[in-house]
Amino acid sequence: DVKVTQSSRYLVKRTGEKVFLECVQDMDHENMFWYRQDPGLGLRLIYFSYDVKMKEKGDIPEGYSVSREKKERFSLILESASTNQTSMYLCASRSPGDPSNQPQHFGDGTRLSIL
Amino acid sequence: AQKITQTQPGMFVQEKEAVTLDCTYDTSDQSYGLFWYKQPSSGEMIFLIYQGSYDEQNATEGRYSLNFQKARKSANLVISASQLGDSAMYFCATHNTNAGKSTFGDGTTLTVKP
Repeated sequence: DVKVTQSSRYLVKRTGEKVFLECVQDMDHENMFWYRQDPGLGLRLIYFSYDVKMKEKGDIPEGYSVSREKKERFSLILESASTNQTSMYLCASRSPGDPSNQPQHFGDGTRLSIL
Repeated sequence: AQKITQTQPGMFVQEKEAVTLDCTYDTSDQSYGLFWYKQPSSGEMIFLIYQGSYDEQNATEGRYSLNFQKARKSANLVISASQLGDSAMYFCATHNTNAGKSTFGDGTTLTVKP
């Protein structure tokens, strides 16, 4: 089974801090994703990566950056945390091949609160 | 741009009964996949079932089936014999061949009553 592990289930940080959310997958997947989930807004894509050191902006990249130095690890960085970034963050990975028939595999999520 | 619409923010069903969760999608792509995911209150997203746009038969996976009507652009999830553990939020999503990204609906919260 695919295992996607997010480093923290719950995280509390202060406004202005630099915040790192880590995600590791064990299936050698090329594709990895970061979403945020807010009530009534579904999942919104922040960034995705289709290979090491490759990244593409999603729908809401402002205020975030990412790092993919190794295939198994995809990090989300909040450069200067703000209260409107309080949310649930979900990491996912997907195997290569036709994305139209490959499910995404998700981590357990990180509930991030910015005070 | 792709769009997924789930019109039911919340649904209730009696234990052991069947329930249908609605999903309509908007895409101009010829090749795409439709997925349903389940998210319990604990937070993890679990893949349930997949339907390819060229599949002529509706997908089934245990108690889950997907009622796919391509002309109407709908991909409703049917859960038969509901169980208390089915209480969760359910997301419909489309994954497109030409783009690496996926589009998710806003979700439907299902509550199974004993």
